[in-house]
Amino acid sequence: DTGVSQDPRHKITKRGQNVTFRCDPISEHNRLYWYRQTLGQGPEFLTYFQNEAQLEKSRLLSDRFSAERPKGSFSTLEIQRTEQGDSAMYLCASSQGPSRETQYFGPGTRLLVL
Amino acid sequence: AQSVSQHNHHVILSEAASLELGCNYSYGGTVNLFWYVQYPGQHLQLLLKYFSGDPLVKGIKGFEAEFIKSKFSFNLRKPSVQWSDTAEYFCAVNTGTASKLTFGTGTRLQVTL
Repeated sequence: DTGVSQDPRHKITKRGQNVTFRCDPISEHNRLYWYRQTLGQGPEFLTYFQNEAQLEKSRLLSDRFSAERPKGSFSTLEIQRTEQGDSAMYLCASSQGPSRETQYFGPGTRLLVL
Repeated sequence: AQSVSQHNHHVILSEAASLELGCNYSYGGTVNLFWYVQYPGQHLQLLLKYFSGDPLVKGIKGFEAEFIKSKFSFNLRKPSVQWSDTAEYFCAVNTGTASKLTFGTGTRLQVTL
């Protein structure tokens, strides 16, 4: 059973640079979610897809953030012009369908912006 | 918008002690409730969930939780903790119409030998 995978696991970048993260969901899952977690907090929702359609975006997601899920398989999350406040763990999760279904989380990508 | 409160931020227990972690949510409609656990160095994984039926839900590793609608609560319990239960525990909620999860701030549980 291959779970949710994320790449890279760690990223260090300088302020102002662009970064892109990838998430590969569990293969039969049609929903894919992105969350962000900072120290001492629970994960906060960023956005989610059903197949290739982006159905909801959080107000936390500024214009510098963009996410895609071409062909309804893997997803990418790009942050442009990174700021120190973007430093966090970025988590991806996938589920098979409706809201009562379990969301399975990946290991996360830890971003540090210097 | 829904919100989740976990009042215990850090709990230290001796092995074999009983555990109860509090979780309260605010939302007036139908909710689905989840407890996730994150062991050191591992990713979030589901302990148990409730969406309908018997309000006492049993999960993995001997954990259970009780949904009390009148109190907007979904407390996690375990009668006898083990050292291996040392982890961070997150309560989360979503609704029938919005599948995004809203998490509490988490409770760090430390079990001593």
